[in-house]
Amino acid sequence: QITLKESGPTLVKPTQTLTLTCTFSGFSLSTSGVGVGWIRQPPGKALEWLALIYWDDDKRYSPSLKSRLTITKDTSKNQVVLTMTNMDPVDTATYYCARSNHFGVVIVPFDYWGQGTLVTVSS
Amino acid sequence: DIQMTQSPSTLSASVGDRVTITCRASQSISSWLAWYQQKPGKAPKLLIYKASSLESGVPSRFSGSGSGTEFTLTISSLQPDDFATYYCQQYNSQFTFGPGTKVDIK
Repeated sequence: QITLKESGPTLVKPTQTLTLTCTFSGFSLSTSGVGVGWIRQPPGKALEWLALIYWDDDKRYSPSLKSRLTITKDTSKNQVVLTMTNMDPVDTATYYCARSNHFGVVIVPFDYWGQGTLVTVSS
Repeated sequence: DIQMTQSPSTLSASVGDRVTITCRASQSISSWLAWYQQKPGKAPKLLIYKASSLESGVPSRFSGSGSGTEFTLTISSLQPDDFATYYCQQYNSQFTFGPGTKVDIK
C-alpha cells in the first residue's frame, strides 16, 4: 500500500522560510523512474506544481518559484523535504506531495497523493 | 512556459448525461497530458495519463483523447460520484495544471 503524508508548520510569518516534509511508504525513491513532487493549491484556486525530485537526484523546479525553492531527499528515511524562502501571504495554500513514476518510456505523473497540509502565512 | 486552458470553467449536468471537457496547451505537448478529479477538501485523483490511458481502478466511463495542443476528457454517463472539479496537466515540459472545470448538478 502506497501512502504519502505531508508535515510541517500550519502558520508561518511573512519573510520566514517554510520547511515541509513528505514521508512516504510502499515505494522507494531509490527505484529507477520514481519521483516525488510538491503541488500547492490556494483556497478556492487551482493546483500549482512547485518542484519534483527523481530517484537519481535530478531536481526540477517551477520557473516562477525556482529562486525560492529547494527540494531534497533522504532515501533511508523515505522522506522528501521542500523549503520555500521569503514566505508571503499569497503563499497561503494547501501543500501536497505526490509520487511520479516512469514505466519505460511511459510517464505516469502524480498517481499517489498525500492528504495535503494547509499552510497559512500571516503575521 | 507552457500554458493550459480549460473549457468550460463550469458545467451543469444531470446524472446520465454525456460530459465533455476540453483542455488546450499553448504549444504542442505530444500526448503528455493527464486528467485529475478533485472533490472538496480532498487530494486530486489521477484519472487519465498520456492523454488516453486509463489509470488503474478508474471506471471505464472516463476516457481521454487528443494530441498536440487539444485534448478532451469525456464522461460517457455522469454518475452522482462524478460531481467534482477536473484539472488537466501537461508534463511535456515541467508540469502545468489547467485552471479547472467544475461539474455541478443541473
